[in-house]
Amino acid sequence: NAGVTQTPKFQVLKTGQSMTLQCAQDMNHNSMYWYRQDPGMGLRLIYYSASEGTTDKGEVPNGYNVSRLNKREFSLRLESAAPSQTSVYFCASSVGGSLMNTEAFFGQGTRLTVV
Amino acid sequence: QKEVEQDPGPLSVPEGAIVSLNCTYSNSAFQYFMWYRQYSRKGPELLMYTYSSGNKEDGRFTAQVDKSSKYISLFIRDSQPSDSATYLCATSTDSWGKLQFGAGTQVVVTP
Repeated sequence: NAGVTQTPKFQVLKTGQSMTLQCAQDMNHNSMYWYRQDPGMGLRLIYYSASEGTTDKGEVPNGYNVSRLNKREFSLRLESAAPSQTSVYFCASSVGGSLMNTEAFFGQGTRLTVV
Repeated sequence: QKEVEQDPGPLSVPEGAIVSLNCTYSNSAFQYFMWYRQYSRKGPELLMYTYSSGNKEDGRFTAQVDKSSKYISLFIRDSQPSDSATYLCATSTDSWGKLQFGAGTQVVVTP
């Protein structure tokens, strides 16, 4: 998944701890997204940013905040982690306003466990 | 009830066989339909997308949409071990809309 880099790849947190998931893309894409993937649930949109300086809530935004730091970077913050936030988190970017094109890419994911 | 339903599998087929994958959806407003492939420990990658009903072919892959039945399919011909992955279907109401994903079907192609 060249072009979208997520850090860290793995993380274990204790309940109540905070952390920031980092995402950067080097393809000059306007739109960036954060999804979570849980077994049996599919991918669910947490937040997205249609362009630099804008962010919007997705399907499951509660417990998360985001920052579109610049055109390249879109971070996801968990202020007070809960076991329900144990998941695999994917960042994605696209040249247009939708993932529905061949110029849309996902990162390799961050596997987060909250104990 | 989830808006997009997909059998989780695993679906095991011998090399060279046709793989048949399906999703059903509940919202008749969905107009765009996508299939993603996700290898283990990787992010999804878009395989194909179609608008409204009909078929679309790309190499060994064929996507079908039947809006009257709210049913979408992906066929993989001459399957290869490298096709072993999880396949996710997704839908949207418009080209700029948010995507609704199925949970994915795991496919295993055995040599």
